[in-house]
Amino acid sequence: DADVTQTPRNRITKTGKRIMLECSQTKGHDRMYWYRQDPGLGLQLIYYSFDVKDINKGEISDGYSVSRQAQAKFSLSLESAIPNQTALYFCATSDWGDQETQYFGPGTRLLVL
Amino acid sequence: GQQVMQIPQYQHVQEGEDFTTYCNSSTTLSNIQWYKQRPGGHPVFLIQLVKSGEVKKQKRLTFQFGEAKKNSSLHITATQTTDVGTYFCAGITGYSTLTFGKGTMLLVSP
Repeated sequence: DADVTQTPRNRITKTGKRIMLECSQTKGHDRMYWYRQDPGLGLQLIYYSFDVKDINKGEISDGYSVSRQAQAKFSLSLESAIPNQTALYFCATSDWGDQETQYFGPGTRLLVL
Repeated sequence: GQQVMQIPQYQHVQEGEDFTTYCNSSTTLSNIQWYKQRPGGHPVFLIQLVKSGEVKKQKRLTFQFGEAKKNSSLHITATQTTDVGTYFCAGITGYSTLTFGKGTMLLVSP
């Protein structure tokens, strides 16, 4: 959905570097999520936020951190990237009244060398 | 924690054949959702099932939610090449977040 944007769309970085992936949404949703997708492993939840003051760890949060700068912005950081963090990363949003139907951004493809 | 298992992992069919993917949860679900991800794309919401035994249809797609609200299925009748992609189920319990299955990748040959 064009209402959820992610930058950058592709990124190549080296082991040990700090990188930030950004997500913005114009849907007016309170809830935002970061997922990681690896081939054959589906979508794994990294972090989620139900409002600006709320941050929660997902199932695979180690090695990642997040910041919810505003209702519309949710960024994911890799403090010291490692090769097994090479993956496709998706941001998603949902509306608390919509039983968690999620709207995904286009994804960021990250390669860590 | 909650687990959602989905089978098969992969299926290759000839155009016109039917296709079914199955989803099973380790816990009773509040609702189950289905998403489709086209190759190179992002997951897109298809449908949500809430009631025990619920059946919903979208053209050639039929979605079912089990009586015990622990399993679900997606059936596509007479597949077309436009059906290619990965289909994910995702379940939610109470006030938790969605738990996604690993997906079923569907390939349709003309």
